[in-house]
Amino acid sequence: GQNIDQPTEMTATEGAIVQINCTYQTSGFNGLFWYQQHAGEAPTFLSYNVLDGLEEKGRFSSFLSRSKGYSYLLLKELQMKDSASYLCAVMDSNYQLIWGAGTKLIIKP
Amino acid sequence: NAGVTQTPKFRVLKTGQSMTLLCAQDMNHEYMYWYRQDPGMGLRLIHYSVGEGTTAKGEVPDGYNVSRLKKQNFLLGLESAAPSQTSVYFCASRTGDTGELFFGEGSRLTVL
Repeated sequence: GQNIDQPTEMTATEGAIVQINCTYQTSGFNGLFWYQQHAGEAPTFLSYNVLDGLEEKGRFSSFLSRSKGYSYLLLKELQMKDSASYLCAVMDSNYQLIWGAGTKLIIKP
Repeated sequence: NAGVTQTPKFRVLKTGQSMTLLCAQDMNHEYMYWYRQDPGMGLRLIHYSVGEGTTAKGEVPDGYNVSRLKKQNFLLGLESAAPSQTSVYFCASRTGDTGELFFGEGSRLTVL
């Protein structure tokens, strides 16, 4: 079966750095997405990785290792507004997105 | 630019009632999707469409029907609502196979 694993909840301190991991087992691979979802709101796109390596976008970076079935989202200089759920999703061989259950990130002052 | 718009935002139904959720996008996207999101679970695909006049089943299609008569609209119907269909429903669209998804604001449905 297809499976996406990510931690259920993480806590970090304002101004710090946090890394949210995602491991996957899917039928084929056509890219990995990270989305941010604030409570009661819709998911919004953060990043897309299809090749191995690190993609940096401001305070957020996303890393992919296809051979290990592994990705992480790195958030730097954490702000209170970063408190949200972070969803990892993999596009399989049929171009369907398989979603993880999300990681709830709690930022403390 | 409105993006993806869902109506209604909230609805309470009694078991056995029917209703339709409307999704409209103004980005000329080919692909449209209906997901449900439940606590502790990832987004689950109900039905999707790869173009006007086409629909296909996703992971959890039972109890739902869809129609895509116009490119910009994707309707999700519940013929006979059940308490298990209490959830938050998200519509999403994208241009092609690998483009990012744009989501509507969600529709919170409660079935009593």
